[in-house]
Amino acid sequence: DTGVSQNPRHKITKRGQNVTFRCDPISEHNRLYWYRQTLGQGPEFLTYFQNEAQLEKSRLLSDRFSAERPKGSFSTLEIQRTEQGDSAMYLCASSSTGQGPYGYTFGSGTRLTVV
Amino acid sequence: QQPVQSPQAVILREGEDAVINCSSSKALYSVHWYRQKHGEAPVFLMILLKGGEQMRHEKISASFNEKKQQSSLYLTASQLSYSGTYFCGTETGSYDMRFGAGTRLTVKP
Repeated sequence: DTGVSQNPRHKITKRGQNVTFRCDPISEHNRLYWYRQTLGQGPEFLTYFQNEAQLEKSRLLSDRFSAERPKGSFSTLEIQRTEQGDSAMYLCASSSTGQGPYGYTFGSGTRLTVV
Repeated sequence: QQPVQSPQAVILREGEDAVINCSSSKALYSVHWYRQKHGEAPVFLMILLKGGEQMRHEKISASFNEKKQQSSLYLTASQLSYSGTYFCGTETGSYDMRFGAGTRLTVKP
């Protein structure tokens, strides 16, 4: 198992452009989470999927953010009309269900810089 | 709602002990602890459940006081490899884990 994979690792975009990030969770994990982390802060919850269903979305998330997880496998996070305040590390994590609970396994993240 | 961690930063000499605290204003189902080294992803250390036992990972242990909605992480005989930022994550039962702002731990030789 290669762990949680995120692509790209780095993304520089101009303000106003759309960006899309991809997360491939651990194959047997059915829960997938997106977090955003800025320097010196803890990860901030964005959204959560169980299989293909998006069960929760942070109220902090504006309508410019959308996430999908088709077929309950990989997930994408899209940010439309990026703003400088969107610059952050975007982390994906996955965890298993079953007789758990289980800790989260995080990917290495996608660092977004909006210029 | 985000849990509150204290202290914000700790500097230790190798072999010394440290305690990191995490508290929440909400009734918790579980508390997670993670360590993040600079430029890397957070790594899971342990989870504590409501009604569960104190957990241990190598020389790191943690407790969960359900009445006070507080958890403490105990680092014993710290090693250089313990350096990093420690985050607690709290769940209220709906898999919406919220993380504290972190405690930066520096272990010096």
